[in-house]
Amino acid sequence: QKEVEQNSGPLSVPEGAIASLNCTYSDRVSQSFFWYRQYSGKSPELIMSIYSNGDKEDGRFTAQLNKASQYVSLLIRDSQPSDSATYLCAAINTGTASKLTFGTGTRLQVTL
Amino acid sequence: GAVVSQHPSWVICKSGTSVKIECRSLDFQATTMFWYRQFPKQSLMLMATSNEGSKATYEQGVEKDKFLINHASLTLSTLTVTSAHPEDSSFYICSAPRQGPYEQYFGPGTRLTVT
Repeated sequence: QKEVEQNSGPLSVPEGAIASLNCTYSDRVSQSFFWYRQYSGKSPELIMSIYSNGDKEDGRFTAQLNKASQYVSLLIRDSQPSDSATYLCAAINTGTASKLTFGTGTRLQVTL
Repeated sequence: GAVVSQHPSWVICKSGTSVKIECRSLDFQATTMFWYRQFPKQSLMLMATSNEGSKATYEQGVEKDKFLINHASLTLSTLTVTSAHPEDSSFYICSAPRQGPYEQYFGPGTRLTVT
């Protein structure tokens, strides 16, 4: 079983809608979670980090963490075509010297 | 702005030659940096952890004699692909943690093509 799992998509949402991206993890020791955005041919860009249960908002992005359910999500409000990219969920076990475990990513397509 | 740089951004080399890729943290010190490889339409694969002043730690299946890593200073790690072959053609990306030990920032990547 993969340690961090994501639906590969593509997830297609119309412009202006809310995109909901989900991620589950299997290692209960994981303590910190991150969402990266990766455009085709580019390197990943950190967009959100979340460390405690609940919601964390930054602009149009909201990350949600539920450690009891081992579930992390990313909501993108007012989706724009420029949000079309692959979104990578990552987890860290703070005992592993900052080594991130990545999911395979969910491809998001925002349609006009 | 960018916090991690890589050089070169792309390189084409002949089979059998060696290629060095540099990764620099721009306004912070990084005792640890990470090297990843990504093939088209595939996920990131961690190759190794670069440790300043000590040997790199390689992931299972990564040949340490082929992918030489040197972390000679707190802002620079290098990856040398030795005796490159066409199957080594890939997108190589480094990352470094900043703002606490966990938030990792990626360099822009180096696209290697071996002919």
